[in-house]
Amino acid sequence: QVQLVESGGGVVQPGTSLRLSCAASGFTFSNHGIHWVRQAPGKGLEWVAVISYDGKTKYYADSVKGRFTISRDNSKNTMYLQMNSLRAEDTALYYCAKEWTNADDYFDSWGQGTLVTVSS
Amino acid sequence: DIQMTQSPSSLSASVGDRVTITCRASQGFKNYLAWYQQKPGKVPKVLISAASTLQSGVPSRFSGSGSGTDFTLTISSLQPEDVATYYCQKYNSVPWTFGQGTKVEIK
Repeated sequence: QVQLVESGGGVVQPGTSLRLSCAASGFTFSNHGIHWVRQAPGKGLEWVAVISYDGKTKYYADSVKGRFTISRDNSKNTMYLQMNSLRAEDTALYYCAKEWTNADDYFDSWGQGTLVTVSS
Repeated sequence: DIQMTQSPSSLSASVGDRVTITCRASQGFKNYLAWYQQKPGKVPKVLISAASTLQSGVPSRFSGSGSGTDFTLTISSLQPEDVATYYCQKYNSVPWTFGQGTKVEIK
């Protein structure tokens, strides 16, 4: 079955960096766009970034543009989120989510999330 | 960017009640609208895509409708297991915006 497993979260100080990973299994990873979505404690869902199935197209939310970089390694069935210049407002549970197809679609599977806490 | 506004932000209803949640877009778009259910402490789960297509395994008491700027999620007969926060989401174009969520509780 489809499985998405995030890792790399932790407690970091403002201004520092962190790299999250999303390891996929149970489907043909290279056929699907993958997204990062975050949820601050007690808050709603916020879309963060997307990378196309082939890694050639990437888009970001305005709140993270210029600080976060999304990438993928289809040979390892893994996607990454490099987060630089972290701020307190980046504190959230970060989910990776798989598109139903490779065509800018809705999310049919989600990981369990990895918690990022930015605090001094 | 298109903004998605849900109403109400929360509601309390009795078991068996009909519940309606509305999602309004700041600009009209084709029916690339999904609804997700997030139960407390759990991962979001897609209920409906393309505004009205029920996902496999989702109970038929859930339905979606709408087009353009106004979309609706209806639970025809609220059950205790439906306690959750529900989110609409615009997809198919950047950004994949979520509504702010509607928390559904049992009275």
